[in-house]
Amino acid sequence: KAGVTQTPRYLIKTRGQQVTLSCSPISGHRSVSWYQQTPGQGLQFLFEYFSETQRNKGNFPGRFSGRQFSNSRSEMNVSTLELGDSALYLCASSDNREGDTQYFGPGTRLTVL
Amino acid sequence: QKEVEQNSGPLSVPEGAIASLNCTYSDRGSQSFFWYRQYSGKSPELIMSIYSNGDKEDGRFTAQLNKASQYVSLLIRDSQPSDSATYLCAVTGDYKLSFGAGTTVTVRA
Repeated sequence: KAGVTQTPRYLIKTRGQQVTLSCSPISGHRSVSWYQQTPGQGLQFLFEYFSETQRNKGNFPGRFSGRQFSNSRSEMNVSTLELGDSALYLCASSDNREGDTQYFGPGTRLTVL
Repeated sequence: QKEVEQNSGPLSVPEGAIASLNCTYSDRGSQSFFWYRQYSGKSPELIMSIYSNGDKEDGRFTAQLNKASQYVSLLIRDSQPSDSATYLCAVTGDYKLSFGAGTTVTVRA
């Protein structure tokens, strides 16, 4: 099976702009999670989707949002970018069940100037 | 208190030695535990998952879980230079993974 794919791989934006990141899960996986990784804060959970429904959301401002489509593909959006949003954004997919292994995509490296 | 805590690194071990990584978690209801390896500039890749108390072995890796002590560990036997990476302990709950800060391991030849 193909792994989790994320696009784009690299992105440079300026403060105030918005950005949309895309994630395609492993075939058959219906759960998609998003994480932010920074040197200072480590890996932090953003949100999780299953069957187009958000089941959990991390402690991030409302500028961070996401959605999932009927084919399980997911997007996350960050509006009004801030310098502190520069990070590696990781998508992970898993089977439906709670506690199932999450498999990570290669990530999108976002730089905000 | 952080949800998941790992022993501080970095950890430097000679080639062929055993690297020992430790992790504690705060949520007693957690049921699934994972060790991921992350090379610099790459995304995390799964090494081991463990769900029951005791040991689980996979090649040179052994994970140990003690739910009563809320403790998970990873042993890397016969460490190789290719094992040099950051190791992340992760615990599931509420449809999310909570990660420790990671322990950076360097295997010196």
